[in-house]
Amino acid sequence: AQSVTQLDSQVPVFEEAPVELRCNYSSSVSVYLFWYVQYPNQGLQLLLKYLSGSTLVKGINGFEAEFNKSQTSFHLRKPSVHISDTAEYFCAVSGSGNTDKLIFGTGTRLQVFP
Amino acid sequence: KAGVTQTPRYLIKTRGQQVTLSCSPISGHRSVSWYQQTPGQGLQFLFEYFSETQRNKGNFPGRFSGRQFSNSRSEMNVSTLELGDSALYLCASSPGLALGEQFFGPGTRLTVL
Repeated sequence: AQSVTQLDSQVPVFEEAPVELRCNYSSSVSVYLFWYVQYPNQGLQLLLKYLSGSTLVKGINGFEAEFNKSQTSFHLRKPSVHISDTAEYFCAVSGSGNTDKLIFGTGTRLQVFP
Repeated sequence: KAGVTQTPRYLIKTRGQQVTLSCSPISGHRSVSWYQQTPGQGLQFLFEYFSETQRNKGNFPGRFSGRQFSNSRSEMNVSTLELGDSALYLCASSPGLALGEQFFGPGTRLTVL
């Protein structure tokens, strides 16, 4: 079985500053990793995903994440945040089997201040 | 392509009642998953349907049930509602392949009084 830990429940940051949202996972099998974003009163939107190949994954809105197998991490980064990035961010893991479900972390609330 | 749609968007019920929520997946998607989102528990997986069959199930009581129709539309039902069932219920669809990527609807906000 897989599990996901998002170490920070809230991350405050000023506009144009860099940000890193941390995500660690545990699994005994190969995994797929995802970051989703949820804006207020909306569903989840996929930011980026790691399935295989290059460990540095680029997503939408200038976000990127790096898969680190030895540290079982998949941290999300953005070099310069905007006010509009204020949202809840969820890391998720799935096994690579056909019936594996998506397991979400508890979320990190990113608050960008002017 | 139209996205995942969920109806209704908001719902208020009282304890003991039952409720049915509906989800229309993206055209061509055969898998539909349901999640419950609450401030305390976060996103919890309820169940997944693929080609009208329940393929996966989370750890929820039997009061929570679902089904999928031949056109891939899905419904979930909660009977004998409890106050703790108040949550945002999210539906997600995917093509059904083993890639894990899911496309989410806006959710149905259920309030149980």
